[in-house]
Amino acid sequence: DGGITQSPKYLFRKEGQNVTLSCEQNLNHDAMYWYRQDPGQGLRLIYYSQIVNDFQKGDIAEGYSVSREKKESFPLTVTSAQKNPTAFYLCATKQAVQTYEQYFGPGTRLTVT
Amino acid sequence: GQQVMQIPQYQHVQEGEDFTTYCNSSTTLSNIQWYKQRPGGHPVFLIQLVKSGEVKKQKRLTFQFGEAKKNSSLHITATQTTDVGTYFCAGLAGNKLTFGGGTRVLVKP
Repeated sequence: DGGITQSPKYLFRKEGQNVTLSCEQNLNHDAMYWYRQDPGQGLRLIYYSQIVNDFQKGDIAEGYSVSREKKESFPLTVTSAQKNPTAFYLCATKQAVQTYEQYFGPGTRLTVT
Repeated sequence: GQQVMQIPQYQHVQEGEDFTTYCNSSTTLSNIQWYKQRPGGHPVFLIQLVKSGEVKKQKRLTFQFGEAKKNSSLHITATQTTDVGTYFCAGLAGNKLTFGGGTRVLVKP
């Protein structure tokens, strides 16, 4: 945090609906990431972007889509194709490609019923 | 693909005792990072180790990177209730950062 905003903190949706999670940063960081965290598990990378208008699939990209039209923003859409979307979603940023430390936002807890 | 395993998954510690959590990678790493996530919170960066055999300390926390750069450990001395949370290691190989499953630490007062 300290410059990474994720909203809302809790989100509820019905099955079959697409939902978009927002991630905004004012750190002027180049790279942005989306992770999914399930109970008792680590962080799994969904998508990442190192520069504007470019993004790459992570390990579990199926059922998700992203865009990076602005440096500050990296929204994640959870589509109806995602089989098990209920999870805690974390956005992270990194200052530059060659730096290492990632800064995490507060997260959005998505529940789909 | 690259895998990072952490053991134990859960660690119940009596306040004042020491404990160690371990991180093992299936591939040689460029560096390893450690993060702490408090209950209900988000991961916060603790430290990064880059050199083979490197040891770094932060107050009661001691981090070590193995000689082969495939494993790491976090040792906490005199555990306090503020140490509660999940500790994640994350290994960097190439440009891919892979997180371990975490060690969830519970402290008994």
